[in-house]
Amino acid sequence: GENVEQHPSTLSVQEGDSAVIKCTYSDSASNYFPWYKQELGKRPQLIIDIRSNVGEKKDQRIAVTLNKTAKHFSLHITETQPEDSAVYFCAASSGGSNYKLTFGKGTLLTVNP
Amino acid sequence: DAGVIQSPRHEVTEMGQEVTLRCKPISGHDYLFWYRQTMMRGLELLIYFNNNVPIDDSGMPEDRFSAKMPNASFSTLKIQPSEPRDSAVYFCASSFGGGRNTIYFGEGSWLTVV
Repeated sequence: GENVEQHPSTLSVQEGDSAVIKCTYSDSASNYFPWYKQELGKRPQLIIDIRSNVGEKKDQRIAVTLNKTAKHFSLHITETQPEDSAVYFCAASSGGSNYKLTFGKGTLLTVNP
Repeated sequence: DAGVIQSPRHEVTEMGQEVTLRCKPISGHDYLFWYRQTMMRGLELLIYFNNNVPIDDSGMPEDRFSAKMPNASFSTLKIQPSEPRDSAVYFCASSFGGGRNTIYFGEGSWLTVV
């Protein structure tokens, strides 16, 4: 089955700096890669996603890049703000007919004012 | 739509007791997922359903865990008997089209087994 590795497990940045979180996946047939943000005590919520037919997608201060050859994808947050502090999860949707998401272990991002 | 609705939000139970968690997916969604979240293991997929039929239960940890989906608007996850190591947050989630599209999570059921 699919295996998703996520790094780093914790990340601390100063307000205004950029943050980058990286993930790798194992199943070359995976074709959907969402990112979820989970604030303390809350549910995970989708913030951005990318499909295998594009290499980059941007939404205001967040962007995701995908390298299918290398089987890795990354989340980029620019001009970080304290409210960006949360746990971020990457995920990959298994290929074929097995339509389930496999999540990475998460990255705790702390943005220091 | 009110989103995915889970109950109870919090439960504290004694070891050996039966625990039943409930979920109402978003209307019109054809996939329902049960995840368990712990610090050590992250978000683990326990089981998922497509059109009320269980598709993959390989994540269910052992026979003490069972899940049902009797109709499109209701699912249960049952633990019998419960053990302290079952303490976790259990999320129900739903989507249209499975993991290929946005999965919406409920607020979670926080389970503590003492």
